[in-house]
Amino acid sequence: EDQVTQSPEALRLQEGESSSLNCSYTVSGLRGLFWYRQDPGKGPEFLFTLYSAGEEKEKERLKATLTKKESFLHITAPKPEDSATYLCAVVGGTSYGKLTFGQGTILTVHP
Amino acid sequence: GAGVSQSPSNKVTEKGKDVELRCDPISGHTALYWYRQSLGQGLEFLIYFQGNSAPDKSGLPSDRFSAERTGGSVSTLTIQRTQQEDSAVYLCASSLGRAGANYGYTFGSGTRLTVV
Repeated sequence: EDQVTQSPEALRLQEGESSSLNCSYTVSGLRGLFWYRQDPGKGPEFLFTLYSAGEEKEKERLKATLTKKESFLHITAPKPEDSATYLCAVVGGTSYGKLTFGQGTILTVHP
Repeated sequence: GAGVSQSPSNKVTEKGKDVELRCDPISGHTALYWYRQSLGQGLEFLIYFQGNSAPDKSGLPSDRFSAERTGGSVSTLTIQRTQQEDSAVYLCASSLGRAGANYGYTFGSGTRLTVV
């Protein structure tokens, strides 16, 4: 059974204070690891897909990295508008396309 | 349409009543998924449709839950005899193909269901 654990549950940062979110996973044959952003009252918004260990992707102040056991979402010089819940999910080789999500990290960036 | 559309956006119902939630996926997307997000919980898989194949119903929590997809497009999730524990946000997602990992998944904004 695919499993995803995210930490911390909540993270409070000052504007400009860089940090990282962690996503640890257990999956049989990783097909893809996904990062989503979710704002209150909205559905998850796609950020990145990572497929293999060593892969990195960047978008504005966000950078996602992947190892064989975990993924990190690095946030550089965050702004208040980066405040949201960040979700990590995996698709394994036996899950036929179904996403397994972690509980999410609630990020709050104070001005 | 341009995105995944869900209706209604909010639904308040009395305990014991039946409800229907609708999902209109992105045109051309053959895979459709329903997830449930309860307060303080992660997204929980409910059911998956892929083309004309039999749906994967392995995530449905009880026989009060059912879903269908007509013409390979619009899907309806039905909850019979609703209970308070059914209160949650129900999210629909679609993808170009079965190997969603290759194509990505687009989520709708969800239906917030409150059972009183």
